[in-house]
Amino acid sequence: DIHVTQSPSSLSASVGDRVTITCRASQSVTNYLNWYQQKPGKAPKVLIYGASSLQSGVPSRFSGSGSGTDFTLTISSLQPEDFATYYCQQSYSTPYIFGQGTKLEIK
Amino acid sequence: QVQLVQSGAEVKKPGASVKVSCRASGYTFIAYYMHWVRQAPGQGLEWMGWINPNTGGAVYAQKFQGRVTMTRDTSISTAYMELRGLRSDDTARYYCARGAAAGPFDPWGQGTLVTVSS
Repeated sequence: DIHVTQSPSSLSASVGDRVTITCRASQSVTNYLNWYQQKPGKAPKVLIYGASSLQSGVPSRFSGSGSGTDFTLTISSLQPEDFATYYCQQSYSTPYIFGQGTKLEIK
Repeated sequence: QVQLVQSGAEVKKPGASVKVSCRASGYTFIAYYMHWVRQAPGQGLEWMGWINPNTGGAVYAQKFQGRVTMTRDTSISTAYMELRGLRSDDTARYYCARGAAAGPFDPWGQGTLVTVSS
């Protein structure tokens, strides 16, 4: 199984801050790495797929980069609606494991 | 618009089975895999498996092998996930999510809360 490890597990930041979350895979997933946002009581929503492609309708302040085993999700200027939990997921091979999540909180 | 609508909340006793449905609309049902993901209270996301609605073939996470069955009814564009031998640690919200091969999961159903309690 290919596991993915996110860091940090939690993060406090302010509106307007630039934030980066990292995800490391236990072996290469090439670019089959996706990022999701989940708000309390809601289903996850895809933000980035294929490591760096922005899902339609997602604001351009979200961006993804990386390949192989190391990936990052960056939010360029935090907005109030961005405070949520973020998950990475590898879709290179089954089981399609998710990272443990990063909870982004207001400072 | 593409939409997945799941069945309502369930309360089951330990050892029982549960079958959750996921009705798809707004796209060609057989053209995309359907994944099932669960989330225990306050915990992260756990992939359970997928079904290919075109062939009926399914792949399950090893953790659930022997306890889970994923099926579909193409005539009503609905996928099902049945989990048997329920335990208290199966208490979770269960989601269906559409996915292309090796692609992201989008969209997701609203989730079905399954509570296992004696």
